[in-house]
Order: sequence, then structure tokens, then C-alpha cells
Amino acid sequence: DTAVSQTPKYLVTQMGNDKSIKCEQNLGHDTMYWYKQDSKKFLKIMFSYNNKELIINETVPNRFSPKSPDKAHLNLHINSLELGDSAVYFCASSQAGGQDTQYFGPGTRLTVL
Amino acid sequence: AQSVTQLGSHVSVSEGALVLLRCNYSSSVPPYLFWYVQYPNQGLQLLLKYTSAATLVKGINGFEAEFKKSETSFHLTKPSAHMSDAAEYFCAVRSNTGGFKTIFGAGTRLFVKA
Repeated sequence: DTAVSQTPKYLVTQMGNDKSIKCEQNLGHDTMYWYKQDSKKFLKIMFSYNNKELIINETVPNRFSPKSPDKAHLNLHINSLELGDSAVYFCASSQAGGQDTQYFGPGTRLTVL
Repeated sequence: AQSVTQLGSHVSVSEGALVLLRCNYSSSVPPYLFWYVQYPNQGLQLLLKYTSAATLVKGINGFEAEFKKSETSFHLTKPSAHMSDAAEYFCAVRSNTGGFKTIFGAGTRLFVKA
């Protein structure tokens, strides 16, 4: 059973489109995250939810909107896609913060043409 | 504020040789420190973490890291490299005050030569 799953794995789309990436975790964790990994492998936190409450909201364009319908799901919606949005997006979860290990999904490779 | 610096974006070793990946951190509060590994086209996986229980931390796949407060370092080592160790390695820091934000280093790509 996959602990943290993301769909789709690959997403190719045109500039200006709107797309969503879904994430689900079956670990019973209270906290979920979205990270963006650029072409140089640099990994940056975008958002985090704890018990469905937004707790981290980094400097991300407001075209990006996370939604957490319940503790097990954290989706990422992106409006008006731009070339610079091309990256790999990782979902992760942990029980809480501090020393708790984050478990990462397999990633969604987004390519904007 | 917290930050992580990984020295060397690429490290190449021969199979059977010592692996040493360097990580220095900066933190205004005592940190939790992590090493994650990323294999090609996969997500990150925890190798080991420092949580103040012991300064020498043993992880999976024969890796270990030593927390040195005086040097603000948390270098990752493995006595003998295996071909399967070829991957991207990330050092990360988090506040020990229960914060959720993790700061990752830029990563070090490990190459293992036969």
C-alpha cells in the first residue's frame, strides 16, 4: 500500500491552462505539505496544512491554491499556468512538526509548453 | 532564521571507497537535522535524523552522520560505497521548537564508479 500517493505522475499542458494535482496519504498523519523541486533539484516548501488548517504559506503566486478537504488529502490547484511553473511537485506528510519524519510522494512532473 | 549549506553539488567515489557528504547548518535555536536520499524519478526518503538524543546517528543502508555543534556540521558518511548508493542527497534543518518548516540544502549528487 502506497503511503503518500500523487496523481497524475506526469502533466503536460499549455500556458494559460488551469490544472490540479491530487495527494493522498494513508499514514494517519495530521500534517501535509507541498514542495516544488526545480530543474536544479532545489526543493522549496510551498504550503503546509495541519489538521486541515493552513500553517505555512510561503511566497508563492496566488495562482497556486491548496485545498485540504480532510486530513488525508491535500490538493494543489494552479491557475493560468506559466512556463516557470514547470517543475516536479512533491506532496509529503508527517505526524507533526519538529523531529517527525516527512514521507514524500513520488512527485508530479509538470511541463508547461 | 535557518539555513543549510551542502558543500559540493557533485561527489564522485569509487565502489568500496569512503563516502563523505558535507552539510553545515545555521540555526538560531537548537535544530533537528535530517538527511534524505532521492533516487532518480522518485520522492525523498529519510536516511537518518538528529534529534538531540545522540550526536552520532546511524541510518539505513549503512549511512551515519555526526552532529558537531562547535562546527555547526552534520556530515554524512558511509565506509564503503556501493553502486546502489548513486543518488541525490539532501541535508535539511528544522527548528526543535515544534516548527513545521523544513529548510533543505541544494543537494549533493553522488556518483559511484565501478
